[in-house]
Amino acid sequence: EAGVTQFPSHSVIEKGQTVTLRCDPISGHDNLYWYRRVMGKEIKFLLHFVKESKQDESGMPNNRFLAERTGGTYSTLKVQPAELEDSGVYFCASSHSNVGQGAIRNEQFFGPGTRLTVL
Amino acid sequence: EDKVVQSPLSLVVHEGDTVTLNCSYEVTNFRSLLWYKQEKKAPTFLFMLTSSGIEKKSGRLSSILDKKELFSILNITATQTGDSAVYLCAALYSGSYQLTFGKGTKLSVIP
Repeated sequence: EAGVTQFPSHSVIEKGQTVTLRCDPISGHDNLYWYRRVMGKEIKFLLHFVKESKQDESGMPNNRFLAERTGGTYSTLKVQPAELEDSGVYFCASSHSNVGQGAIRNEQFFGPGTRLTVL
Repeated sequence: EDKVVQSPLSLVVHEGDTVTLNCSYEVTNFRSLLWYKQEKKAPTFLFMLTSSGIEKKSGRLSSILDKKELFSILNITATQTGDSAVYLCAALYSGSYQLTFGKGTKLSVIP
C-alpha cells in the first residue's frame, strides 16, 4: 500500500511569491490533515479535511493560507503571498474514516513533508 | 494552551543500552497518546495508547500510559544504530482530530 506522498520535497521562493504544496493521502482515507513544523518548534496542526469538507481549520495562521481538497482525494495548500515566517516543513497526514468510532482510533499516517524556504 | 512535553530533548547511548523516553501532557479532555519515529522524512507511527496501565509492545519497543499522572514512556531495549531518530509524542483529545505534538527526543545510538 502506497503511503502519503507530498510534492515538492523542497521549495525555495522569495518573499511575496506564491507557492502551492500538494498532498496525496493513502487511498481510501477520508481524513486528511496539514501540519507545520517551524524550526526549533514542535509540529503544529493547521487543518483537517473529511473528504472534501474542512472539518477544523483552527490552526491556519492567517488568510494567506488556503487549503483545498476538491473531489475529496488529493489536497493543496497555497501560501499567497509568502512571508519569511512561513518557512518550515509542511507535513500532510491521513487516516481512515472513524464513523461511529470517534477520534479514539485516529491513527494518522504522515507524508515525508515539504520543506519551504522563504527568502 | 494544551502542552505536551518530552524529555530528554536529546540522548546519546551506545549500542545495546536500554533507553526510556518520557512524555508528559497537560491536555484537557485527553483521549489518546501516540508515539512516532522520525528518521529522515515522514514520522512513522509506532503506538497509540488509550488505556492506562496496558503496555504495548513491538519488538524491542514498548510503551505504557499513566492517565493518573499524565505521562507516557517509550522503552527501547538493546538499542541498535538503526534506532537513531527523533521520537515524537502527540496527544489527541475529545472532540477533535488534531494531534498536539511535543518537540521530540533526538536519540543517537553509537556503535
